[in-house]
Amino acid sequence: SQQGEEDPQALSIQEGENATMNCSYKTSINNLQWYRQNSGRGLVHLILIRSNEREKHSGRLRVTLDTSKKSSSLLITASRAADTASYFCATDARDDKIIFGKGTRLHILP
Amino acid sequence: GAGVSQSPSNKVTEKGKDVELRCDPISGHTALYWYRQSLGQGLEFLIYFQGNSAPDKSGLPSDRFSAERTGGSVSTLTIQRTQQEDSAVYLCASSLTYVGQDSPLHFGNGTRLTVT
Repeated sequence: SQQGEEDPQALSIQEGENATMNCSYKTSINNLQWYRQNSGRGLVHLILIRSNEREKHSGRLRVTLDTSKKSSSLLITASRAADTASYFCATDARDDKIIFGKGTRLHILP
Repeated sequence: GAGVSQSPSNKVTEKGKDVELRCDPISGHTALYWYRQSLGQGLEFLIYFQGNSAPDKSGLPSDRFSAERTGGSVSTLTIQRTQQEDSAVYLCASSLTYVGQDSPLHFGNGTRLTVT
């Protein structure tokens, strides 16, 4: 069964707006990661947040983690056309078996 | 430096034939993961290796699927007697250490398998 579930499944916003995606998971974790996938092939690592961290920034990305609610959010600020992609959260459920959610398809409108 | 390399990039095979997919991880990476992704879907965990050992094979869909890793490096995923439902993109990823130690995954570009 899926450990992580992203919400929404699809999101379309205007270029320049902020995009927020959410991820919920089921078990205790060591860390949670976000990945981007273009064109249905290899994924690219974006950011990793540890279970004892609450917020992390990297460029235009901001990730939050709420372990009490077993949820995380990814915020992309000032979106660009190049941000159009699928975004996945992945959790390490303390057994080194990294499980991915179903992803959010983000489309940036010009 | 070289990233994770997967071969072939595309494979078309007839139903019932065996196929072998190859993954060359980044040199020195200890952990190696295999995933399967059907069109428009998320990643389905198949198996992972710590060195040459696979602690958890429960993700393999059936006994037609097997994987091995030799020398702590190259890994092969073998599918015997392929079925049409095996059609998908098979993704390999490696990480420097075990991800519990906060090491991100580096993905290859995948092998697109089509079973006719």
